[in-house]
Amino acid sequence: GEDVEQSLFLSVREGDSSVINCTYTDSSSTYLYWYKQEPGAGLQLLTYIFSNMDMKQDQRLTVLLNKKDKHLSLRIADTQTGDSAIYFCAGDTDKLIFGTGTRLQVFP
Amino acid sequence: KAGVTQTPRYLIKTRGQQVTLSCSPISGHRSVSWYQQTPGQGLQFLFEYFSETQRNKGNFPGRFSGRQFSNSRSEMNVSTLELGDSALYLCASKPELADNEQFFGPGTRLTVL
Repeated sequence: GEDVEQSLFLSVREGDSSVINCTYTDSSSTYLYWYKQEPGAGLQLLTYIFSNMDMKQDQRLTVLLNKKDKHLSLRIADTQTGDSAIYFCAGDTDKLIFGTGTRLQVFP
Repeated sequence: KAGVTQTPRYLIKTRGQQVTLSCSPISGHRSVSWYQQTPGQGLQFLFEYFSETQRNKGNFPGRFSGRQFSNSRSEMNVSTLELGDSALYLCASKPELADNEQFFGPGTRLTVL
C-alpha cells in the first residue's frame, strides 16, 4: 500500500521560511494535499496540487512536486508563531493517505 | 455556512463497552468519511459513505461500523471497545464523491479505560 513519510520535527525562527518535506511511494494520486492541525483541533486544508503540476503558489504557501523523486514540499514564507502546528501531507488514491506529520515550532 | 460538527467532543468508556459517534456534514455535502488518529498509527481511513451507502472501507476489524442517514448525517459505532481504540476520530465531508476537497470536523476524543 501507499507509504507517506515526513520528518517529525522542524523548528524555525519567526520571519524565516519553513520547508516541510514529504516522500511517497504510490504515484497514482490525482491530487496531493497539505493539512494543518492545531492542538485539540481537526484538520484544516491548506492547499493542494494536481499531480500533473510542478508548483503551486498560494499567498505565503508554495507547494513543489517532484514526481520523478516522489517528493512533495510545502514552503511557508515569513513564518509566524501562529503557524506552529502539525502539518500533514496526503495523497488520494481511493481515500486520503496521510503522512506521519511534521511538528513545526516557530520561536521568536 | 456551518462547518462539520461532531458529537460528542469527548467520551470516556471502559473496555467491552460500545460507543456511537455522530457527524453532521456541511450543508449540501453528501459524502462523509471517517478517520482514526492515534500517536502510534497516525491518521488512518475507516470508511466513506455516500447516499446512505458505504463506498469504501479501510483496514479495520468488523467491530468498527458506520451508517449514513438520508440527511447525510453519519454515525460510526465501535463495539467491544479495546484500549487500543482510544483515539481522535475525525469526520470529513465533501459535496460529491468525485470532489477532492474534504472538510474536517474537530473530532471526537475517545478514551477507553
